[in-house]
Amino acid sequence: DTGVSQNPRHKITKRGQNVTFRCDPISEHNRLYWYRQTLGQGPEFLTYFQNEAQLEKSRLLSDRFSAERPKGSFSTLEIQRTEQGDSAMYLCASSLRTGGNEKLFFGSGTQLSVL
Amino acid sequence: GESVGLHLPTLSVQEGDNSIINCAYSNSASDYFIWYKQESGKGPQFIIDIRSNMDKRQGQRVTVLLNKTVKHLSLQIAATQPGDSAVYFCAETHRGGSQGNLIFGKGTKLSVKP
Repeated sequence: DTGVSQNPRHKITKRGQNVTFRCDPISEHNRLYWYRQTLGQGPEFLTYFQNEAQLEKSRLLSDRFSAERPKGSFSTLEIQRTEQGDSAMYLCASSLRTGGNEKLFFGSGTQLSVL
Repeated sequence: GESVGLHLPTLSVQEGDNSIINCAYSNSASDYFIWYKQESGKGPQFIIDIRSNMDKRQGQRVTVLLNKTVKHLSLQIAATQPGDSAVYFCAETHRGGSQGNLIFGKGTKLSVKP
């Protein structure tokens, strides 16, 4: 257990529905990342926060995706009008960025299946 | 464009043998590389990292080698154990040590035979 908690672990939804995932990072970590991973592939960067500020979003990220970290602690990732191509594992990671190299600690992910 | 890839998708080794997992990258601006281990049902776990100003770095039973001339990275695992069975990813970034936007390769599945 890395200390990064993600809920739910599994989500099955019908195409067109909205879904929301939650990530609770390690408490003292100021950075939080969202990645997406499909079967047999490496994780793909989606977005990240430093405290409550969203500093970067992948150009590949559809506008149906939105992420928040309102108080600089937990984060939510919402996907609107889900499509079958959204089926993937959504991974959250956190780190403490204080200078020097930065180590990410990943959660176990939320597996999304869009039917 | 930027890409990080692996030479072999699967690797099977006997318990106690040494394992070598290879990775190629194409972005010459990459300056920080990380190896991750991912077990089934879990997120990637940090193993070892190396900056581009180094050629070799050792950890506990693991060694990472970086050849910038041919843009090649390898992970060596000594005395491989059944618990080492997992998918291994290399990842790179070019932000002076910040992991920020990591680019991952496809992964190599390591199977350890008892």
